[in-house]
Amino acid sequence: GAGVSQSPSNKVTEKGKDVELRCDPISGHTALYWYRQSLGQGLEFLIYFQGNSAPDKSGLPSDRFSAERTGGSVSTLTIQRTQQEDSAVYLCASSSQNNEQFFGPGTRLTVL
Amino acid sequence: AQTVTQSQPEMSVQEAETVTLSCTYDTSESDYYLFWYKQPPSRQMILVIRQEAYKQQNATENRFSVNFQKAAKSFSLKISDSQLGDAAMYFCAYTGNTGKLIFGQGTTLQVKP
Repeated sequence: GAGVSQSPSNKVTEKGKDVELRCDPISGHTALYWYRQSLGQGLEFLIYFQGNSAPDKSGLPSDRFSAERTGGSVSTLTIQRTQQEDSAVYLCASSSQNNEQFFGPGTRLTVL
Repeated sequence: AQTVTQSQPEMSVQEAETVTLSCTYDTSESDYYLFWYKQPPSRQMILVIRQEAYKQQNATENRFSVNFQKAAKSFSLKISDSQLGDAAMYFCAYTGNTGKLIFGQGTTLQVKP
């Protein structure tokens, strides 16, 4: 279990449904980040966790987006009432103390 | 607010040749880090090289090196002896005291055999 893992790898959902995306960071990494990669907007920061706290949620695009982290480890990003503009690749990264972020393979979300 | 700009959407290089990818950034912070990430079609973001702003010496990792011009806020990536496996999208990224990465728009690198 060396790297950051994310599940599911791909998710197709219907407009209006809720989805949950999961991130398992590298063991021992205290910081965890969520980013979104879309064709129109490039790579955007969503939210940052230090331990279980989220000191920076400034990138969450609307109140339909929320995230939590439990036990200083696994994080879940939840999107409620999905819209077509939510279609993107959602990337998770974790880091220790040296500012280097290690990324997971991402979840490709498609909202029909 | 900090910004990162990559002005080359696409670049092409012949195998074994050298290519330079450009990146400029804007910040008022004094302590920051700069990175180049590679993203192949698999989507996995891979760190290529990092530079601490307080270090004057340019970072080097095997065939990859940077030209860090702090006053000009420029951070270019040079890939020497290009290989087919270098083909990917390359992102320049900045992080300051917030920890979050701010990315450029990306440059798609094609390597021709």
